[in-house]
Amino acid sequence: KQEVTQIPAALSVPEGENLVLNCSFTDSAIYNLQWFRQDPGKGLTSLLLIQSSQREQTSGRLNASLDKSSGRSTLYIAASQPGDSATYLCAVRDGYNFNKFYFGSGTKLNVKP
Amino acid sequence: GAVVSQHPSWVICKSGTSVKIECRSLDFQATTMFWYRQFPKQSLMLMATSNEGSKATYEQGVEKDKFLINHASLTLSTLTVTSAHPEDSSFYICSVPGGGQVGSNQPQHFGDGTRLSIL
Repeated sequence: KQEVTQIPAALSVPEGENLVLNCSFTDSAIYNLQWFRQDPGKGLTSLLLIQSSQREQTSGRLNASLDKSSGRSTLYIAASQPGDSATYLCAVRDGYNFNKFYFGSGTKLNVKP
Repeated sequence: GAVVSQHPSWVICKSGTSVKIECRSLDFQATTMFWYRQFPKQSLMLMATSNEGSKATYEQGVEKDKFLINHASLTLSTLTVTSAHPEDSSFYICSVPGGGQVGSNQPQHFGDGTRLSIL
């Protein structure tokens, strides 16, 4: 069974710092990988989607990379802002069963003004 | 704007009550929708896959008679928590595959979730 791990579980940084969130998965047979943002008590907002054939995706200050063979993805946030404070989740879509999505437990980010 | 609408956002009720949660796909027809549960400080766990026109597919350990799913139309799926008890208190979130179909390369879209509190 696929297992998704996110490190660190929590991160606190001063405003303006660049930071990296890590996601690892045990089975490289994935269809795609998606990064989400979740604010307290809210649903998930999709940030970036990387197909299994892609190496990275960029949106504004966010850059996500994927190394499928090693089972790793990183989310890079440039010039962090207090508004970036949230929990960030990564999820992989199973390459055999498209109905299956496996989520990490998230990284709770706090950007201090 | 929102792609998925989930209602209600918050429910507080007494033990033994049945609670219905609605999930609507606003932008496209969805033959498949997903229901997740999230306990505090934990990640999302898939409960079941809702299939329009056929029975839902439940994940191992999820009670079918406890969590009734009805995919009434191509834009609406409902989750009913029957005879809810305090241990059912959780955050329930639905999602729709991008484009409404499994296998799509589009991102998955999530509702805002329903916080269920059983007293």
